[in-house]
Amino acid sequence: KQEVTQIPAALSVPEGENLVLNCSFTDSAIYNLQWFRQDPGKGLTSLLLIQSSQREQTSGRLNASLDKSSGRSTLYIAASQPGDSATYLCAVRGNFNKFYFGSGTKLNVKP
Amino acid sequence: DGGITQSPKYLFRKEGQNVTLSCEQNLNHDAMYWYRQDPGQGLRLIYYSQIVNDFQKGDIAEGYSVSREKKESFPLTVTSAQKNPTAFYLCASRIRAENTEAFFGQGTRLTVV
Repeated sequence: KQEVTQIPAALSVPEGENLVLNCSFTDSAIYNLQWFRQDPGKGLTSLLLIQSSQREQTSGRLNASLDKSSGRSTLYIAASQPGDSATYLCAVRGNFNKFYFGSGTKLNVKP
Repeated sequence: DGGITQSPKYLFRKEGQNVTLSCEQNLNHDAMYWYRQDPGQGLRLIYYSQIVNDFQKGDIAEGYSVSREKKESFPLTVTSAQKNPTAFYLCASRIRAENTEAFFGQGTRLTVV
């Protein structure tokens, strides 16, 4: 069964710092990987989708990479802002259209 | 204004009651999903449906039931057989083609009183 791990579980950084969030998965047979943001008590907002054939995707200050063979993805956030404070979740899509989620990294960006 | 709407936002259930959570989407998506989120844990799949009148159990289906009579609607019933139903429930949808992203509703927080 696919297992998705996110490290660290929590991260606190000063405003303006660049940071990297990590996601690893045990089964490399995935169709794609998606990064989400979740604010407290809210649903998930899609940030980036990387197809299995892609190495990275960029959106504004966010850059996500995928190394399928090693079962790893990273989400890079440049010049972090207090508004980036949230929980970030990664999910991989495997067979039968099923998604497997990590437990998230809770990010706090201090002003 | 397209999206996924979950209702209610907050729901309280007495012991032994069944309750139904609503999920409606106007995105014309084929596939719909129900997840449960507990503090400190990732989302766990309860049920999913890839087309109308068809659905499959996820990893934690016991104590839950669903129906998919219409493309835009995928209600989840939490039955009295679910012994620990207090959680945050999230509904998602996507186009069934392989490489599309999933979109989520704003969630329903269910509390047993």
